Amino acid sequence: QKEVEQDPGPLSVPEGAIVSLNCTYSNSAFQYFMWYRQYSRKGPELLMYTYSSGNKEDGRFTAQVDKSSKYISLFIRDSQPSDSATYLCAMSHAGNNRKLIWGLGTSLGVNP
Amino acid sequence: GAVVSQHPSWVICKSGTSVKIECRSLDFQATTMFWYRQFPKQSLMLMATSNEGSKATYEQGVEKDKFLINHASLTLSTLTVTSAHPEDSSFYICSARLPGRAGDTQYFGPGTRLTVL
Repeated sequence: QKEVEQDPGPLSVPEGAIVSLNCTYSNSAFQYFMWYRQYSRKGPELLMYTYSSGNKEDGRFTAQVDKSSKYISLFIRDSQPSDSATYLCAMSHAGNNRKLIWGLGTSLGVNP
Repeated sequence: GAVVSQHPSWVICKSGTSVKIECRSLDFQATTMFWYRQFPKQSLMLMATSNEGSKATYEQGVEKDKFLINHASLTLSTLTVTSAHPEDSSFYICSARLPGRAGDTQYFGPGTRLTVL
């Protein structure tokens, strides 16, 4: 079993839809949870960062962490064609040089 | 803030030659940088962790003598692919850790696409 599981998709939605992206994990020591967006042939761009459990909102993006279920989510409201990209979850714990453990990434397409 | 650059953005070389990729943190000092490679439609694979002024820590299965990493200053790390072969063709991405902010989050460069003929 991988430490972080993420459905690679692809996920296709119409413009304006609410998108829900998820990751599950097995290591209860993870404390830092991140979502990155990666456009084709580009480096990942940090979207959201959350420490421990809870919700965090930034514009159209909301990140949720449920440590009891070992489950994290990223919600995108009013999705736009420019949101079409691969979304990667990543997480780490305080030790191990804060090495990031990555999900496979979910490919999202938002259709105009 | 937290901008990381990479140079070159793409490179094509002949088999057997060496290629150097630079990674710079432009507006912050990074004591720790990371090097990843990514194959098409796959996630990032960590190759090594680079700490300024010390030897890099390589992940299991990554050849130290083939992928030479130097982190000589707080804003520059380099990855040299020595005696490159076609199987080394990949997308190489560096990241830099911004200490004390957002859990020491990593910020990524734009990547370097290496093609070995």
